[in-house]
Amino acid sequence: EVQLVESGGGLVRPGGSLRLSCAASGFTFKNYWMNWVRQAPGKGLVWVARISSDGTSPSYADSVKGRFTISRDNAKDTLYLQVNSLRAEDTAVYYCARWGGLQLDAFDIWGQGTKVIVSS
Amino acid sequence: DIQMTQSPSSLSASVGDRVTITCQASQDISNYVNWYQQKPGKAPKLLIYDASNLEAGVPSRFRGSGSRTDFTFTINGLQPEDIATYYCQQYDKFGGGTKVEIK
Repeated sequence: EVQLVESGGGLVRPGGSLRLSCAASGFTFKNYWMNWVRQAPGKGLVWVARISSDGTSPSYADSVKGRFTISRDNAKDTLYLQVNSLRAEDTAVYYCARWGGLQLDAFDIWGQGTKVIVSS
Repeated sequence: DIQMTQSPSSLSASVGDRVTITCQASQDISNYVNWYQQKPGKAPKLLIYDASNLEAGVPSRFRGSGSRTDFTFTINGLQPEDIATYYCQQYDKFGGGTKVEIK
């Protein structure tokens, strides 16, 4: 079964850090670009970051640039998001999502999400 | 920077009704629009890609159409299990979402 499973969320104080993980299974992880998408409580979906299949081309939404770092370990089939200098407005469910590639130009597989709460 | 404007933000319809949601891009994006369904407390699910292609396993009552700047998502015969919020998306931009409820 093709699956993405996020972990690492939690309650953190403003200014704090977390490392979110997304474990992939059921497909050849190293062949796919991967993304993080977040959703604040009661709000819509917002793309956060993207990384190429070989990990050499990260890109970020302006709202997180300089604070968040996306990375991947293709040997471990795992995607990461290091989130630093957290703010209240970063409170959200963070989803990892696979980019289907040239054949399916969409976020075709999603994890169940991990919740990050930034509060003092 | 492309913007995706989705409407309406919410709607209420009866079981069996046809439901239509629109998404307008701020510039020509060819057919590069996808549609997702998100049920409460769940992750989004891809329904339609490249404006009109039905993802595998998705019921045929879900349809997508459009090109360039104007796109339409339709549910032909609303079912109780279709209660969800629907999003259009192009590259790294999502529409604001449409919450679909049963009347």
